[in-house]
Amino acid sequence: EFMLTQSPGTLSLSPGERATLSCRASQSVSSSYLGWYQQKSGQAPRLLIYGASSRATGIPDRFSGSGSGTDFTLTISRLEPEDFAVYYCQQYGTSTGLTFGGGTKVEIK
Amino acid sequence: QVQLQESGPGLVKPSETLSLTCTVSGGSINSYYWSWIRQPPGKGLEWIGYIYYTGSTNYNPSLKSRVTISVDRSKIQFSLMLTSVTAADTAVYYCARHGHYYDSSVSYWNTEPFIDFWGQGTLVTVSS
Repeated sequence: EFMLTQSPGTLSLSPGERATLSCRASQSVSSSYLGWYQQKSGQAPRLLIYGASSRATGIPDRFSGSGSGTDFTLTISRLEPEDFAVYYCQQYGTSTGLTFGGGTKVEIK
Repeated sequence: QVQLQESGPGLVKPSETLSLTCTVSGGSINSYYWSWIRQPPGKGLEWIGYIYYTGSTNYNPSLKSRVTISVDRSKIQFSLMLTSVTAADTAVYYCARHGHYYDSSVSYWNTEPFIDFWGQGTLVTVSS
């Protein structure tokens, strides 16, 4: 069974700090099909990154994505107050459809 | 701006069928894939399945035996049916659109991998 494992489960940081979130796939995936979403409490998720490293429309450049194969990273260079939220990685496969990671909560320290 | 709105019962009895409809406004249903995604309270996201505007479908293998997704292009709606529900199916159910994103590495527009618009979500509770 294909899985995405995100770490850490919770990241406690202060505004202005750098956040590094990890997403590990159980088998190698195409970078073209790896994305990241942000979900704030009570809201639907929002696409941040697609194709592992491309920012979606309107996403600030403090958000960046990288990685290949089985290991992918979302980096927030300097946390703004509105960035404290839960982040999900997501992969698409032709037979498996969409698979989401378990999420990383970025909370205020 | 595309908007999606889920509608349907907020309470379903165990063993019965959950039925939801998503109405699309501000855009066409044509040329896009449309998904249902759910989120149990306090938990992560689970993809249920998607449908192309032509009617072709792809379902989560873990739910495939209980799921049917259909599309009504004349009403600009698509729908979800989930049979034999249990308390484990209690969740916020989102309808969503898959965006079109250009992959420069292969000079190809991807239309399936990523979600660009979401409905607000509707809580469905399974309880007697």
